[in-house]
Amino acid sequence: AQSVSQHNHHVILSEAASLELGCNYSYGGTVNLFWYVQYPGQHLQLLLKYFSGDPLVKGIKGFEAEFIKSKFSFNLRKPSVQWSDTAEYFCAVNTGFQKLVFGTGTRLLVSP
Amino acid sequence: DAGVTQSPTHLIKTRGQQVTLRCSPKSGHDTVSWYQQALGQGPQFIFQYYEEEERQRGNFPDRFSGHQFPNYSSELNVNALLLGDSALYLCASSSDGLPSTDTQYFGPGTRLTVL
Repeated sequence: AQSVSQHNHHVILSEAASLELGCNYSYGGTVNLFWYVQYPGQHLQLLLKYFSGDPLVKGIKGFEAEFIKSKFSFNLRKPSVQWSDTAEYFCAVNTGFQKLVFGTGTRLLVSP
Repeated sequence: DAGVTQSPTHLIKTRGQQVTLRCSPKSGHDTVSWYQQALGQGPQFIFQYYEEEERQRGNFPDRFSGHQFPNYSSELNVNALLLGDSALYLCASSSDGLPSTDTQYFGPGTRLTVL
């Protein structure tokens, strides 16, 4: 069965620090990959997505992710985090017909 | 343009009862998917409705059933509630134009507590 692993369950950073959240998936076919964010008290929002083409994908709020097919990875990065980036981040893979398989999430706390 | 809406926001039920959750998709979307998000976990796919039929289903028992109406809105029904059904239930909508590449938009969820 398809699965998504997010290795960091909790991350604490100071403002202006760089961020990298790991995501690995297990699926041998063509995948579409997503990062969703859930800010405190808000619903899941799309941060960025990869369907095809350039493996370096840029999303909203300065986030980017790199798809490395050989490593089955789709890591999320941001060069300089802000306090407002405090949220829970979910990596997800769509293996067909929009059925998303999510990771367990990473809680990011950015201290001012 | 209204996004995905869900009702109710919160719900408290007792074991053995039945519950119905409702979802209205984003304007222009015709596909509705339901997810269960237990505390501390990522959302898990329950099932998906398209053209008023269940198109695919996750690993959930038959106690979980659903319906899609002609206006694309959807209901999730859970019978014989168990304590373990306590979770945030998320509805997501999308367009079936390009099934493998479209994006799902999520609603705020319904928080179900089973006592």
